[in-house]
This record gives sequence, structure tokens and C-alpha cells, in this order.
Amino acid sequence: QKEVEQNSGPLSVPEGAIASLNCTYSDRGSQSFFWYRQYSGKSPELIMFIYSNGDKEDGRFTAQLNKASQYVSLLIRDSQPSDSATYLCAVTPGRSMRFGAGTRLTVKP
Amino acid sequence: DTGVSQNPRHKITKRGQNVTFRCDPISEHNRLYWYRQTLGQGPEFLTYFQNEAQLEKSRLLSDRFSAERPKGSFSTLEIQRTEQGDSAMYLCASSPTGVVDIQYFGAGTRLSVL
Repeated sequence: QKEVEQNSGPLSVPEGAIASLNCTYSDRGSQSFFWYRQYSGKSPELIMFIYSNGDKEDGRFTAQLNKASQYVSLLIRDSQPSDSATYLCAVTPGRSMRFGAGTRLTVKP
Repeated sequence: DTGVSQNPRHKITKRGQNVTFRCDPISEHNRLYWYRQTLGQGPEFLTYFQNEAQLEKSRLLSDRFSAERPKGSFSTLEIQRTEQGDSAMYLCASSPTGVVDIQYFGAGTRLSVL
């Protein structure tokens, strides 16, 4: 079992729709959870992090964490073509960060 | 705050050669990380420093890889006797002291081993 699993996609949504990205992790000791966005050929860029159960909102982005289910998700509201990228889920079971393989999102105008 | 800086941005080398990459973290960030990323995969953890101390090293890291952070500022990653399988993007990240370890990534060094 991989430490962090994501649906590789591609996920395609129309402009203005809600994009839902999901991630599961295996280490119950994981304490912090991150979503990074990575454009093709670029390095990961932090979108947001969450460490408490529940929802955390930042602009058009909402992260959701359920530690009992070992599940974390990212919702992108009012999706824009500029949101088209690969979204990486990352968890910290210790100090080092473990990444999923990423979900490729395409937002079609 | 100029961000995490990595040099060179691209490196092409022949199999069997040694290569060295440099990472300059965000100033005052005492934690520094190295990752490797191949196409279609997420970054894979290689090693972690807190100040000059190397506190964690991936079991996947062969003896051909070595990293240093001699003065707790910049870091170098050396790969000896490169193999074609070493071709990847090598990413450096740094983070400040804090409850949540928020890591900021550099632009990476893309290595191609011919």
C-alpha cells in the first residue's frame, strides 16, 4: 500500500464548476496535510495546509480532513482554466513529507 | 526573501560521471529538504537537515548519493557514478521553525544522464 494515494486523473471540469480532489494516506500518525499545485515543468507551489479534522477555507479553495477515515480532500470552487495543473497531496508522518503521485486537473473554458 | 534558489537549473552528464547540485534556502529557514521527482510521480523524499545536522535519510537513497549542509545555510547534493536511472528533477525545499512544517520549493535541477 502506498503511503499517499491519489486518483491520477485526468479530471476534467468545465469553467465555473467545482473540482473535487481526493487523497488517502496510510500512516495514522500523520499530523499535517498539504495540497500543492504543480504546473508542467515547474516546482510545487503550496496552496494550503490543514491539521485539524473538518474544513478549512481559503478563497476558492477548501481543504477537508477526516483523520478517522484517513482521508483529505481539496475542493476548488468556480474553477478557472488557470487552475489546470497537477495537484499533489502531501502528509507528514514525521518530519519528512510524503507525496502522492498527483491528480491532473483540466478546466475547460 | 528571494525564495529557495537551486543551481544549476539543468545538468546533462554522461553515465559514470559525478554531479553536484547546490541549494540556497530562504534565509533564516533552518530546515532543508531534498526530493527527487520523475515524470508522472510526486516528489520522493531523499534527505532532511535541521541546521547543519542531517537528521533523516531515505532508505531508498543509495551510497552514491551524499548531501551536506556544512554551515547550516546552503546545501549540496552529490551523485557519484551517475546512472541513467538517476535522470530526474531534484528539488530542494526549506521551512522555518514552527508547529506546522510548511515547505517552500525551489525551481529544481533537472538532471539528464546520457
